[in-house]
Amino acid sequence: DTGVSQDPRHKITKRGQNVTFRCDPISEHNRLYWYRQTLGQGPEFLTYFQNEAQLEKSRLLSDRFSAERPKGSFSTLEIQHTEQGDSAMYLCASSLMRGGTDTQYFGPGTRLTVL
Amino acid sequence: AQTVTQSQPEMSVQEAETVTLSCTYDTSESDYYLFWYKQPPSRQMILVIRQEAYKQQNATENRFSVNFQKAAKSFSLKISDSQLGDAAMYFCAYRRLDSNYQLIWGAGTKLIIKP
Repeated sequence: DTGVSQDPRHKITKRGQNVTFRCDPISEHNRLYWYRQTLGQGPEFLTYFQNEAQLEKSRLLSDRFSAERPKGSFSTLEIQHTEQGDSAMYLCASSLMRGGTDTQYFGPGTRLTVL
Repeated sequence: AQTVTQSQPEMSVQEAETVTLSCTYDTSESDYYLFWYKQPPSRQMILVIRQEAYKQQNATENRFSVNFQKAAKSFSLKISDSQLGDAAMYFCAYRRLDSNYQLIWGAGTKLIIKP
């Protein structure tokens, strides 16, 4: 078990550019979550997948954001036409649904800075 | 809608002493999960302890224990024998039991350990 990994750890981009982040969950986990965390705040839910199906999206996830989990393993989060307000830490978590309960394990996050 | 409130933005404790972090939540559900997560500086979110609402017994994990008061909707975290490595942001989180598995987070409490 190598834990949840995210790549890149840091991304600096100019406003208007597109960025893509990757998350590799714990291998047997069937659920994958994306959160956004701004400085001094708790994470805010963005979206989650069960296997390859995207089951819920937050209203925070504007049309500029898209997430995929094509084979039910790794996931990507893309932000198009980035804005300065997108600057935040993007967290990925995974879990294994078992017996009606699951616990989310988090990756180290990708810190996005939009200039 | 469910909300989670952490009223202490920052707490400090002397090394080896005991500290209690507060968390209150609002929900109309009768069954749910509550969590405490720890986020050290520039490091990933780590699960500290989990409590199922249907269990009357307070959860414990080594030096960490909770005081779960369901009627009062209170879920405090007690850290005994505080260590320098306990310094971190601590987040309280809530999760419903139904198919919506997103976590609802408090704003966090920064814990400072004085040597």
